[in-house]
Amino acid sequence: AQTVTQSQPEMSVQEAETVTLSCTYDTSENNYYLFWYKQPPSRQMILVIRQEAYKQQNATENRFSVNFQKAAKSFSLKISDSQLGDTAMYFCASQSYNTDKLIFGTGTRLQVFP
Amino acid sequence: DTAVSQTPKYLVTQMGNDKSIKCEQNLGHDTMYWYKQDSKKFLKIMFSYNNKELIINETVPNRFSPKSPDKAHLNLHINSLELGDSAVYFCASSQDWGGGREYFGPGTRLTVL
Repeated sequence: AQTVTQSQPEMSVQEAETVTLSCTYDTSENNYYLFWYKQPPSRQMILVIRQEAYKQQNATENRFSVNFQKAAKSFSLKISDSQLGDTAMYFCASQSYNTDKLIFGTGTRLQVFP
Repeated sequence: DTAVSQTPKYLVTQMGNDKSIKCEQNLGHDTMYWYKQDSKKFLKIMFSYNNKELIINETVPNRFSPKSPDKAHLNLHINSLELGDSAVYFCASSQDWGGGREYFGPGTRLTVL
């Protein structure tokens, strides 16, 4: 079974600073994908970043990057130059290629302060 | 153009009623999903359909019945609504099976009184 754990219920960061959100996961699958989704107050789910587990290179999307440690089953999200619009719930998720189930963590609420 | 749309966005109803939530995607995707987000913001998959066939059916009460009339639509019908059904329900679609990017609809907030 797949599980995803986010141990930080809430985080805060000052505008323009860098923040890292933690995520660990467990899976017995060989082929899987990892995601970070953002849910702002509008409640729309927005994909932030996607990592294929077979790729060693960490995914990056503009100010967002991940630190993927496959052996440790860790998948943290780094947000650089934080902006007020980054204020949202952030969900880490894993998805097995075989089952196609997207399993979410419990989320981290990020507040960016001016 | 809206990629994944859901109607209605808000639904308030009494216990015991039957209600439906509609979902449509105009992305040409083969796979569609329903997720439930509870009051603690926890998101859990309920169902998935691939080419109109049910693929994933999590441990959801059989009062919930998804229906996919075609690849672009996946509706969710709920019978005999209970207080615990109050949640936000998200529809999503994906082109690729097993790891493809999922596009989410705006969600339907269901409140059962």
